[in-house]
Amino acid sequence: DTAVSQTPKYLVTQMGNDKSIKCEQNLGHDTMYWYKQDSKKFLKIMFSYNNKELIINETVPNRFSPKSPDKAHLNLHINSLELGDSAVYFCASSQASPYTERGVGNEQFFGPGTRLTVL
Amino acid sequence: AQSVSQHNHHVILSEAASLELGCNYSYGGTVNLFWYVQYPGQHLQLLLKYFSGDPLVKGIKGFEAEFIKSKFSFNLRKPSVQWSDTAEYFCAVTRSGGSYIPTFGRGTSLIVHP
Repeated sequence: DTAVSQTPKYLVTQMGNDKSIKCEQNLGHDTMYWYKQDSKKFLKIMFSYNNKELIINETVPNRFSPKSPDKAHLNLHINSLELGDSAVYFCASSQASPYTERGVGNEQFFGPGTRLTVL
Repeated sequence: AQSVSQHNHHVILSEAASLELGCNYSYGGTVNLFWYVQYPGQHLQLLLKYFSGDPLVKGIKGFEAEFIKSKFSFNLRKPSVQWSDTAEYFCAVTRSGGSYIPTFGRGTSLIVHP
């Protein structure tokens, strides 16, 4: 009964490859997110989708493309991987959009993370 | 831009010691405050949160945090830690009146020796 799941948990790949990370939530939440945690442990938001619609797109290279086939899934595709993409990527969900009053106190429910290593 | 500072990056304690982890934020308006915990090999989960009302908030597993508006702080405390509290602790802030996108601190790694 995992709430937010991600696959794979570990991903080791060569520079220049294209890879995808999948995320699914079974909480019935409207909003999903992708975060990147760098080597200094800073968690930074990358994207957010609300009901399959992109609502947050931080300054992220366009090699990163999120896709939300339905509101329970948010996948992250990365083209032409670079060394600097090595990080832990966390998927999360929340009940309401962060742009609404319902977003007050919007608790984030996180997945287990995907550790991406680019060689 | 809003920022969240966690000054203690690594904390090592013995069991039964008292814990206080610092969190300061830079935004001057109304804020919502969170502490998340990440146990080894597990996902981040919410420990406690503050929206309004009593500035002393109690969370799970005996943790509490106090919001001191004048100091822009939301420090996490536990009177007596256990080995099982070994984890990464993240402070996060959202601000009212704008988007409620959380800004996270860089985390504090807590190791509790038995």
